[in-house]
Amino acid sequence: GNSVTQMEGPVTLSEEAFLTINCTYTATGYPSLFWYVQYPGEGLQLLLKATKADDKGSNKGFEATYRKETTSFHLEKGSVQVSDSAVYFCALSDNSGYSTLTFGKGTMLLVSP
Amino acid sequence: NAGVTQTPKFQVLKTGQSMTLQCAQDMNHNSMYWYRQDPGMGLRLIYYSASEGTTDKGEVPNGYNVSRLNKREFSLRLESAAPSQTSVYFCASSEVGQGAMWSEQFFGPGTRLTVL
Repeated sequence: GNSVTQMEGPVTLSEEAFLTINCTYTATGYPSLFWYVQYPGEGLQLLLKATKADDKGSNKGFEATYRKETTSFHLEKGSVQVSDSAVYFCALSDNSGYSTLTFGKGTMLLVSP
Repeated sequence: NAGVTQTPKFQVLKTGQSMTLQCAQDMNHNSMYWYRQDPGMGLRLIYYSASEGTTDKGEVPNGYNVSRLNKREFSLRLESAAPSQTSVYFCASSEVGQGAMWSEQFFGPGTRLTVL
């Protein structure tokens, strides 16, 4: 079956530090890959996506590249802000046509001033 | 345009009680989903509905029932609540068209349920 593994948190950084959150996946075929973000007390929001190998998704300064050879989709940001503090979820869709998602366990990011 | 709404926001039940969690979306989406979120477990799919009139089991369906009342509404029912069902429940919807490879899921704010 499909699975997503992401680094455990919390990840604690100072403002303007570089961020990497690792994500690897197991899936049959050619899944689409996503990063969702959950701010405190809210539901999840799509942060970025990549639908085929070598695609780079980007949004709000965050980036992730779909690496089929390493089955990875690591999230990066060059300079984090306090407002980036949230829980980040890596997810995949197996493109079955019903858009069901398999999520990783989430990584909490805490950014201090 | 409210997106995905869920009621109630908080609920406390005693073991054995029943309740229904309500979800509605105003985006004319075809597909709707129910997830539960537990610490250290991420989100796990309980049930989903690919279109009005259809429902399918997800990863953790035991102890739950669902109803796709119409295109807008998708409810989740706990017939006899157990402490293991203490969780945060999220409803989501997406516009999965014919032959679509993927579609963004939009999430509601969640229902925090405690079963004593």
